[in-house]
Amino acid sequence: DQQVKQNSPSLSVQEGRISILNCDYTNSMFDYFLWYKKYPAEGPTFLISISSIKDKNEDGRFTVFLNKSAKHLSLHIVPSQPGDSAVYFCAARNVYGDDKIIFGKGTRLHILP
Amino acid sequence: DVKVTQSSRYLVKRTGEKVFLECVQDMDHENMFWYRQDPGLGLRLIYFSYDVKMKEKGDIPEGYSVSREKKERFSLILESASTNQTSMYLCASSFAGTGFQPQHFGDGTRLSIL
Repeated sequence: DQQVKQNSPSLSVQEGRISILNCDYTNSMFDYFLWYKKYPAEGPTFLISISSIKDKNEDGRFTVFLNKSAKHLSLHIVPSQPGDSAVYFCAARNVYGDDKIIFGKGTRLHILP
Repeated sequence: DVKVTQSSRYLVKRTGEKVFLECVQDMDHENMFWYRQDPGLGLRLIYFSYDVKMKEKGDIPEGYSVSREKKERFSLILESASTNQTSMYLCASSFAGTGFQPQHFGDGTRLSIL
């Protein structure tokens, strides 16, 4: 049973436009949600997080939105740059989960010139 | 900056061999984790440890064991390697305690079992 779902395996966006990556979850006991970015042959890099008590968190070009009623979060990247081409993993932590986090399967973002 | 170092970037082993993957972190983190990443499956947790000599099974522990004799080092052991353990292995660490602490990852070991 997938608790964190990224339904789009890939996404292509024109450079300079907005990239929107989506994630759905099923477990109401998640207290933090995270996004990681991964380049080939490198480990994932933590990008941004949001607490379940908030609905928005912004860090530079990256904004994460959380809709608890819909059990949905999204990552917005504005403006998209070539270096943003990577795989993005959505992840969540269970409040009872001993600091474990559960990852989605990832979305590959291609930024087109 | 947090540094998580995995001993090998690429490793090729034969079926039936005992394989050791080593991970060292330099930030005095209590928690350490081993994941494998496979295409279309994301990151799956194999084992984790929240203290020296402590270990907990993750989602896919079968065929693996771990060792944590020192706080900074967490080893993943494939007891008898099989071809279905060919994968990218990722180590991570994080602080424990109140609030949220992100996990920091090493660059991974791409393991091929022939």
